[in-house]
Parts: sequence; C-alpha cells; structure tokens
Amino acid sequence: DAGVTQSPTHLIKTRGQQVTLRCSPKSGHDTVSWYQQALGQGPQFIFQYYEEEERQRGNFPDRFSGHQFPNYSSELNVNALLLGDSALYLCASSLRFFHEQFFGPGTRLTVL
Amino acid sequence: EDQVTQSPEALRLQEGESSSLNCSYTVSGLRGLFWYRQDPGKGPEFLFTLYSAGEEKEKERLKATLTKKESFLHITAPKPEDSATYLCAVQARGGSEKLVFGKGTKLTVNP
Repeated sequence: DAGVTQSPTHLIKTRGQQVTLRCSPKSGHDTVSWYQQALGQGPQFIFQYYEEEERQRGNFPDRFSGHQFPNYSSELNVNALLLGDSALYLCASSLRFFHEQFFGPGTRLTVL
Repeated sequence: EDQVTQSPEALRLQEGESSSLNCSYTVSGLRGLFWYRQDPGKGPEFLFTLYSAGEEKEKERLKATLTKKESFLHITAPKPEDSATYLCAVQARGGSEKLVFGKGTKLTVNP
C-alpha cells in the first residue's frame, strides 16, 4: 500500500520565479492538505482540497494556489517566489471526516 | 486563535532514562490532539490521536496522555533510535480540518 508521495524531492529556484509541487495521496484517501515548514518550526497550514475544490485556507497570500485532480492528486503552485518561501513543503492526505492526516516526505524548496 | 506550545525545545537523555514531553494547547473546542515523530529532512510520521481528557494510548516505548489543557508523551527506557523531533498538533471542532502544530521537541538519546 503506497503512502503519500511527493515530487520533486528538492528544488532550487531564484526570486521571482514560479514553482509547482506535486502530491499523490495515500490509497483510499480523498482529501489533500498542504503545509509549509520553515527550519526549526512546526508545519503551517496552507490550504486543503476536497472534491477538487479549495475548502479551507491558512494565512498565506494569493501567490500560493493549488489544484486537485479527479484522481485526488494535487499540485501546489507558488508565484513570484521570495527568499522567505524557502522551506520544506509537506503534503498530507486523509479520508474526509476522518481525522488522521498522513504526511509525505516533503519537497525542499530553496529560493536564491 | 488556536495555539500549541511544546516544552522543552530540546531534551537529551541517556539510553534507558525515561522522561516526558509536554504539549500545552488552547483551542476553541478540541476535536483531536495528534502526536507525530519527524526525522531530519523527512515528513512527520503519525503516532497517536487523542480525543478526550483521560484518554491514553501506547505504542512500544511511547505513551500519550491527554488532559483538558495539555498532553504528555512519556518515553520509557528510550533507545538511540527514538531520537527525533516530536510534534504535537490540535484540530478544532466546527468543520475545520487544519492541524495547528507546536514547534516540536527535539529528543536526543545517547547510547
């Protein structure tokens, strides 16, 4: 049973560029949440997708956007990258109305 | 605003030396409290969910407990492989499914 997968593992971008991160949820899960984790901090909630719609959003600017596909996989897009966007981006999947969220290995984004 | 505070920030133990990690929380109606383990550069690994005060859960050398204001993660006779950052998160009632995390406790177990 495959767990949550994310790609790519690492990514290096320069300021002002755009990036797309991808996530495939755990088999049987239909909900995907994205989190940003800065070094030495706990993960911060970005947004959650269910039934291909954004259901809830944390305190992140509109530069952060996402998408969920019919197969429940998801993308996170970040436009106009800033140095402060450097972080580990985590995808978590869950089954709607069940509480446990299972995390993928993350994508390490470095903005130069 | 929902908030989670974990203490201590870092903890060093000798192998076999039992201890506890603390997670204090304020939330507008608790749906669940979650404990995760995170190894460096990797995603958090789910450990436990606790739903109501007085609940306890165990897994190998770990035992999690919950009161109305805090949760404890007790580590009994730890081994070096228990070294990791332990994260606590809360989920509030009311339709929101987001997890609010603390900053974690970095545990180091020396042989």
